[in-house]
Amino acid sequence: AQSVAQPEDQVNVAEGNPLTVKCTYSVSGNPYLFWYVQYPNRGLQFLLKYITGDNLVKGSYGFEAEFNKSQTSFHLKKPSALVSDSALYFCAVRDNTYGQNFVFGPGTRLSVLP
Amino acid sequence: EPEVTQTPSHQVTQMGQEVILRCVPISNHLYFYWYRQILGQKVEFLVSFYNNEISEKSEIFDDQFSVERPDGSNFTLKIRSTKLEDSAMYFCASSTQGAQGETQYFGPGTRLLVL
Repeated sequence: AQSVAQPEDQVNVAEGNPLTVKCTYSVSGNPYLFWYVQYPNRGLQFLLKYITGDNLVKGSYGFEAEFNKSQTSFHLKKPSALVSDSALYFCAVRDNTYGQNFVFGPGTRLSVLP
Repeated sequence: EPEVTQTPSHQVTQMGQEVILRCVPISNHLYFYWYRQILGQKVEFLVSFYNNEISEKSEIFDDQFSVERPDGSNFTLKIRSTKLEDSAMYFCASSTQGAQGETQYFGPGTRLLVL
């Protein structure tokens, strides 16, 4: 069965510092990995995804993520955090042997402090 | 940029009542989904819909739930007899295709409170 873990409930980082939000996954087949962000009172906004190819994926708002097959990880990163990046971040996975739905991680709340 | 929209944003209902949550997917999308997020918990898949029929559903999506595309634009989730545990945020999503690598675009959600 598919599963996603986000080991940190909360990540705090100072504005201007690099940030990392961690995600590990378990799938039966080849993984398709996604990051979504949820701002207060808003829906889930797509940030980026890994399907195949280059392990480093670049997405919206300066975010990027690195797919590491041996560690089954897909950590979200940004070189310089902004206060406006403060939100709830969800990692999600699908695999090529399973259905159409996403399996989401529990979410990580990112707080960027001025 | 096209967006998925949902109405209402908030709904309060009494236990046992029927509710209908409405969604307008992105216009050229063919696959539609409902997810829910109980407060403090992860987002969970309910159902996917394509070509006017359910293509997948989870264990959560039991007989009290139904989905419909009543016209060319709306996609609805009906809960026939609400229970306290149905209180959650319900998200609609859509995608152009149902492929595993396809991005799903989510609406802002409907917060349902069952009293």
